[in-house]
Amino acid sequence: DSGVTQTPKHLITATGQRVTLRCSPRSGDLSVYWYQQSLDQGLQFLIQYYNGEERAKGNILERFSAQQFPDLHSELNLSSLELGDSALYFCASSVGVQSASGANVLTFGAGSRLTVL
Amino acid sequence: GIQVEQSPPDLILQEGANSTLRCNFSDSVNNLQWFHQNPWGQLINLFYIPSGTKQNGRLSATTVATERYSLLYISSSQTTDSGVYFCAGYNYGQNFVFGPGTRLSVLP
Repeated sequence: DSGVTQTPKHLITATGQRVTLRCSPRSGDLSVYWYQQSLDQGLQFLIQYYNGEERAKGNILERFSAQQFPDLHSELNLSSLELGDSALYFCASSVGVQSASGANVLTFGAGSRLTVL
Repeated sequence: GIQVEQSPPDLILQEGANSTLRCNFSDSVNNLQWFHQNPWGQLINLFYIPSGTKQNGRLSATTVATERYSLLYISSSQTTDSGVYFCAGYNYGQNFVFGPGTRLSVLP
């Protein structure tokens, strides 16, 4: 157990629907990152939050949004789902973006596997 | 942003063999990690190694920061080592960039 908790583990839904993926970071970690991994593809960075505020944005579609709550858990909302959104969605956490050594070591959750039919 | 290359893209080994995986960065990085994605999709952190050498059992890693590359050594490979190995780099003010991965298959 990495300490990063993601729910649900599996999700099957239909095109056009909306889903919410949830992530609880490791205790003490302030930064949360979301990554998308399509079949046999690499890891695409979507978005990062630090202590409730958006820190960096990657290749995140406008149909997707995320937020980090005061208790530091994060949710990734995917709407108007398309077949191509089927993927593994990973959450990772780190202590934060400070310059201290090891502050940005990523720890990943087990992922949420989304299947859009 | 940083570009990350990994080689080889695919590797097939017999159980017991040794291997070396390489990661090259287009620019210097402040943080470098190696991950193993097992066949079930889990991403396991192997090493945090911005510079120097570390060892953990049959695995070891070396990063030469001045030359912008890192090596992951797997000795006496086992079937459970199969999966995809990713390296990822990070620079202050930027974000983690992952390489495309090396897919390792260890045959019994």
